[in-house]
Amino acid sequence: QVQLQESGPRLVKPSETLSLTCAVSNYSISNGYNWGWIRQPPGKGLEWIASIYHSGTTYYNPSFKSRVTISVDTSKNQFSLNMNSVTAADTAVYYCARQTQVLWYFDNWGQGTLVSVSS
Amino acid sequence: DIQMTQSPSSLSASVGDRVTITCRASQYISDYLNWYQQKPGKAPKFLIYAASSLHRGVPLRFSGSGSGTDFTLTISSLQPEDFATYYCQHSYTTRWTFGQGTKVEV
Repeated sequence: QVQLQESGPRLVKPSETLSLTCAVSNYSISNGYNWGWIRQPPGKGLEWIASIYHSGTTYYNPSFKSRVTISVDTSKNQFSLNMNSVTAADTAVYYCARQTQVLWYFDNWGQGTLVSVSS
Repeated sequence: DIQMTQSPSSLSASVGDRVTITCRASQYISDYLNWYQQKPGKAPKFLIYAASSLHRGVPLRFSGSGSGTDFTLTISSLQPEDFATYYCQHSYTTRWTFGQGTKVEV
């Protein structure tokens, strides 16, 4: 069973960059699938942020404009998210997930990590 | 972007009840509609893809239907472990969006 685990700072200052990594185990990222980030502000719903294919093809939610970068490191079997110029509105639980191609559903999720933006 | 609207936002039900949740897309999405279940403090769990296909291991009391813009998730006989929040997600374009969620509570 594929497993995903998010890691990164739990507290980020306003205007700085949020950086998260998702380590994938029991499945090689190079074997296929998209790999994505979804977030959930406290008490609110799910919001897709970005996805990436192992070859480097990227998909971004236009709501984040140019603030977000997703990348993949197949040698470490992990992928990452960078979000710059964060504000308190970016406080959320951030999930990484595996996403199928063609039907584009998220079939395996990490446990999530709460990132707070505060000075 | 395609907007997904769920109704109701919450509902009260009892064990054994038949529960139906609706998801409406702001434009035609064929059957590119997926459903997830989320329990408090946990990651979402994938339930249904392509509007009506159950993911492996999902109990048969769950079913999905619909096409075009209107979709439903039905739980035929609600079990104690089914009290959770349910989300729909379209996959018709590569700008994926979720519904706002429907909380099923006692």
